[in-house]
Amino acid sequence: EAQVTQNPRYLITVTGKKLTVTCSQNMNHEYMSWYRQDPGLGLRQIYYSMNVEVTDKGDVPEGYKVSRKEKRNFPLILESPSPNQTSLYFCASSNLGGRADEQFFGPGTRLTVL
Amino acid sequence: QKEVEQDPGPLSVPEGAIVSLNCTYSNSAFQYFMWYRQYSRKGPELLMYTYSSGNKEDGRFTAQVDKSSKYISLFIRDSQPSDSATYLCAINQAGTALIFGKGTTLSVSS
Repeated sequence: EAQVTQNPRYLITVTGKKLTVTCSQNMNHEYMSWYRQDPGLGLRQIYYSMNVEVTDKGDVPEGYKVSRKEKRNFPLILESPSPNQTSLYFCASSNLGGRADEQFFGPGTRLTVL
Repeated sequence: QKEVEQDPGPLSVPEGAIVSLNCTYSNSAFQYFMWYRQYSRKGPELLMYTYSSGNKEDGRFTAQVDKSSKYISLFIRDSQPSDSATYLCAINQAGTALIFGKGTTLSVSS
């Protein structure tokens, strides 16, 4: 089954404790992206990747890191999480030769930073 | 002015009603327009995709783009309780990112 998977689905952590949210897709997509979704603010892009070893900042990259060492994986790293990073996070991928139109989204990771 | 504006609702309609969801955008250079549907506790999924002005129909759903007014719409005919979800308009920005509206929450009652 074609899908984007994220782990963990739910995470409660404390300020400053480094964490990684994994994202994996099995569709051989070139384009991958991370979003956060907050009430009243909608979906905002954090980082995206056009291909292996190619990443770039989205609209809200502060406090986040990403890497793209393999085509299928695009982990999101929070080196020192803070309460304002409490949010619902989505990973997405696209198969349109690096374009961002038809994105397939993962199920989401709900992160709470205390 | 924000790049994409969408009325958040919520919008409540009875089963069988025609629903109209709308977004406005500010940059006339945008060419690719999408509607995503997001059920509660799920990720968004692509519902409709249009390029340039005009209408596109898929079953009970019609996407409409009016580039002269910078206005995009999604119409749902014969709405069903299963259509209850949040609908997000999205616009492609320079081929590398989507700009999403904040979403309109729709509830269809039986």
